[in-house]
Amino acid sequence: GAVVSQHPSRVICKSGTSVKIECRSLDFQATTMFWYRQFPKQSLMLMATSNEGSKATYEQGVEKDKFLINHASLTLSTLTVTSAHPEDSSFYICSAFGQGASYEQYFGPGTRLTVT
Amino acid sequence: AQKVTQAQTEISVVEKEDVTLDCVYETRDTTYYLFWYKQPPSGELVFLIRRNSFDEQNEISGRYSWNFQKSTSSFNFTITASQVVDSAVYFCALSEPVSGGYNKLIFGAGTRLAVHP
Repeated sequence: GAVVSQHPSRVICKSGTSVKIECRSLDFQATTMFWYRQFPKQSLMLMATSNEGSKATYEQGVEKDKFLINHASLTLSTLTVTSAHPEDSSFYICSAFGQGASYEQYFGPGTRLTVT
Repeated sequence: AQKVTQAQTEISVVEKEDVTLDCVYETRDTTYYLFWYKQPPSGELVFLIRRNSFDEQNEISGRYSWNFQKSTSSFNFTITASQVVDSAVYFCALSEPVSGGYNKLIFGAGTRLAVHP
């Protein structure tokens, strides 16, 4: 099946700094990727839809200026958490659609962000 | 609006017991997809099944089986003869169309299953 990777898998940063998380589709091209956030013992909440070559579409309540999404190529989307605060500590998961399968999402392994 | 309800927050069973995880959904779409995912402690989501709205046949895969009933908007998941390795959080999800022909997923709250030896 299709493979999606995320880097880093874990990151610890200090409050006020910015962190970039990469999501890559390794063996297929993904024009659309999704970014989810999962707080401990909670469900996955969609943050934004990342579209290659255009602006991301953010879900209601998600700050565009805080969570910057760039989808510069068909295999890479990045999520940058700017001026991170402890409340941004969470598990971030990306997913990508394989070509020709609009209903099939392939999930990355997730990135655990801890802001101290 | 689309919604997925997993009323069971946590379930605890003893190994070899059968267990059913409930999922009820709401949608106005006539064409949609339903999913089940497993999330072990490592955090990575494991795809279990996808079912489209026009296929109400029940499915069995080894110890796993799924019961899809449109009349009650339910898509329940049963594990037969549970094992300790089945311990995880299980999510039910519903697809919602977005522009561009793709679908985003609406997840239920998840059910934490603990299987004890």
